[in-house]
Amino acid sequence: GIQVEQSPPDLILQEGANSTLRCNFSDSVNNLQWFHQNPWGQLINLFYIPSGTKQNGRLSATTVATERYSLLYISSSQTTDSGVYFCAVDFLYNFNKFYFGSGTKLNVKP
Amino acid sequence: GAGVSQSPSNKVTEKGKDVELRCDPISGHTALYWYRQSLGQGLEFLIYFQGNSAPDKSGLPSDRFSAERTGGSVSTLTIQRTQQEDSAVYLCASSLGLTGGSGETQYFGPGTRLLVL
Repeated sequence: GIQVEQSPPDLILQEGANSTLRCNFSDSVNNLQWFHQNPWGQLINLFYIPSGTKQNGRLSATTVATERYSLLYISSSQTTDSGVYFCAVDFLYNFNKFYFGSGTKLNVKP
Repeated sequence: GAGVSQSPSNKVTEKGKDVELRCDPISGHTALYWYRQSLGQGLEFLIYFQGNSAPDKSGLPSDRFSAERTGGSVSTLTIQRTQQEDSAVYLCASSLGLTGGSGETQYFGPGTRLLVL
């Protein structure tokens, strides 16, 4: 069946540490996006990345579409990075019906 | 410019009552999405609009749920005869609706927190 799996489910970091979050998906995707949900519930788009690599400041993401996974890298983490990170995909056979992973809950300690 | 807005921000209702949730997308965004997020869970797709039409309604959990969009802008999600399991945060997102690139980036509203007693 359709699957979008994220790992790890929970992550605790000391401020300044680096981390890698992973998203596996079960079929060929049209669209893959990474989001950050802050502790107040607001979702912010981080990357639109169905393939390739992008960087934005301390964040970068890589999607290897042929191997059906995406990675989100956070470098030099800050307490403001805390929250839940979601990946969301829609598949080539069903555009615009987005499936979200269950998220990685990140807690960055000062 | 203004982002996606949703109203009300919070809604408490009694089981069996109908509720209507509203979403105002970013001006010029033709694509609009509704999602539901239960406590501590990921997002569940409900429905997608391109303009005023909804090509895919398969995510609506039951026939008590309906949604419409008029004038290619504001959308309302209606839940009839609410049940306690409908309690969740209902999130709306919009995008330019252009295929590929940043045109598909979704921008989310703050959500409506629905509690059914």
